Amino acid sequence: GAVVSQHPSWVICKSGTSVKIECRSLDFQATTMFWYRQFPKQSLMLMATSNEGSKATYEQGVEKDKFLINHASLTLSTLTVTSAHPEDSSFYICSAPREKLFFGSGTQLSVL
Amino acid sequence: AQTVTQSQPEMSVQEAETVTLSCTYDTSESDYYLFWYKQPPSRQMILVIRQEAYKQQNATENRFSVNFQKAAKSFSLKISDSQLGDAAMYFCAYRSADARGSRLTFGEGTQLTVNP
Repeated sequence: GAVVSQHPSWVICKSGTSVKIECRSLDFQATTMFWYRQFPKQSLMLMATSNEGSKATYEQGVEKDKFLINHASLTLSTLTVTSAHPEDSSFYICSAPREKLFFGSGTQLSVL
Repeated sequence: AQTVTQSQPEMSVQEAETVTLSCTYDTSESDYYLFWYKQPPSRQMILVIRQEAYKQQNATENRFSVNFQKAAKSFSLKISDSQLGDAAMYFCAYRSADARGSRLTFGEGTQLTVNP
């Protein structure tokens, strides 16, 4: 079946650095991908919708300049957390729709 | 905007017993999809069951079944013959049926514990 691959699974970085998370659709083309954020014991909150070949659509309250999204090809979307701070520490999950929504395995970001 | 509410933050069930998780939603749309997702400790999101709003028949997947009450905007999940592997966070989710509607709106989640 369709698989969405997300890397890295976890990353630890120093405050002020940038971190890139990749989301790949392995056996199908995804013109749209979704990026979610999940705090411990909380639900998934949609951050942005990544659109291949055009600008991402951000949810209200999500800083576009902090969370840069690039969807350069039909199989790859990236989320870059710029100038990360401890409050950006969270679990980030990508997903891509086909006949159903496929999820990546998530990335735990810890900012020291 | 659509909202999804899960009023049970935590539930527990004895192994082999049956448990029902509640979910209500609010929408002005007539066509949509509803889902239950399971998130085990690995945090991988796993689709448990899906219901199409225009179908009156309740969806079933082996030990998992739903009670879909469209007028009441209720969508509960019943897990029969509970197994230890069912222990997880369960999320109810809503998706519009329109062309832009692949995004999901999640409820707050219910943490299910299965006692041996």
